Amino acid sequence: SQQGEEDPQALSIQEGENATMNCSYKTSINNLQWYRQNSGRGLVHLILIRSNEREKHSGRLRVTLDTSKKSSSLLITASRAADTASYFCATEGAQKLVFGQGTRLTINP
Amino acid sequence: DAGITQSPRHKVTETGTPVTLRCHQTENHRYMYWYRQDPGHGLRLIHYSYGVKDTDKGEVSDGYSVSRSKTEDFLLTLESATSSQTSVYFCAISESSPGQGRETQYFGPGTRLLVL
Repeated sequence: SQQGEEDPQALSIQEGENATMNCSYKTSINNLQWYRQNSGRGLVHLILIRSNEREKHSGRLRVTLDTSKKSSSLLITASRAADTASYFCATEGAQKLVFGQGTRLTINP
Repeated sequence: DAGITQSPRHKVTETGTPVTLRCHQTENHRYMYWYRQDPGHGLRLIHYSYGVKDTDKGEVSDGYSVSRSKTEDFLLTLESATSSQTSVYFCAISESSPGQGRETQYFGPGTRLLVL
């Protein structure tokens, strides 16, 4: 019973372009988080946005949250080859963190 | 990987054999988690611990047991491994409790388990 669902499942863009990934969820949340996973590695926390926040920035990352639509987006600006990874949203509600299935992002040189 | 190690990193075993995976942390975080990651399913929670000797089941706990005798160690045991338990297993830790709106998890490097 996955709470978050990412869209698209896979995204391939040219280096320097912006990448946008979306996450939809079903129930009320305390916060929504984004994680990155490089191939063969564990997940790394990127950013957390609380339910009363609408937008948050961290370096080249911009996250938005629309609780009325139960959706979030992650924007990576000026993409680099090193951004190639899978990106997961995770929602925290009443209890444990629940992860989506991820978006596989490929940055082409 | 935030002071989290997992051992072994890779394991091949046969159906019906017991397997124990170990997660060790040096962060003194109270909460520890075991996930499995499979294509098409993302990360699914197996068991978690909220303190020494305090554990609870997650979404996919059948066939797995856990133990936590020390703050720094969280063991995952497959009592009798099956092919459906072939997966990548991740341990994670967090400082704050789930549901408080502050939880960030830190992940270990993973263990690749193949059950033949």
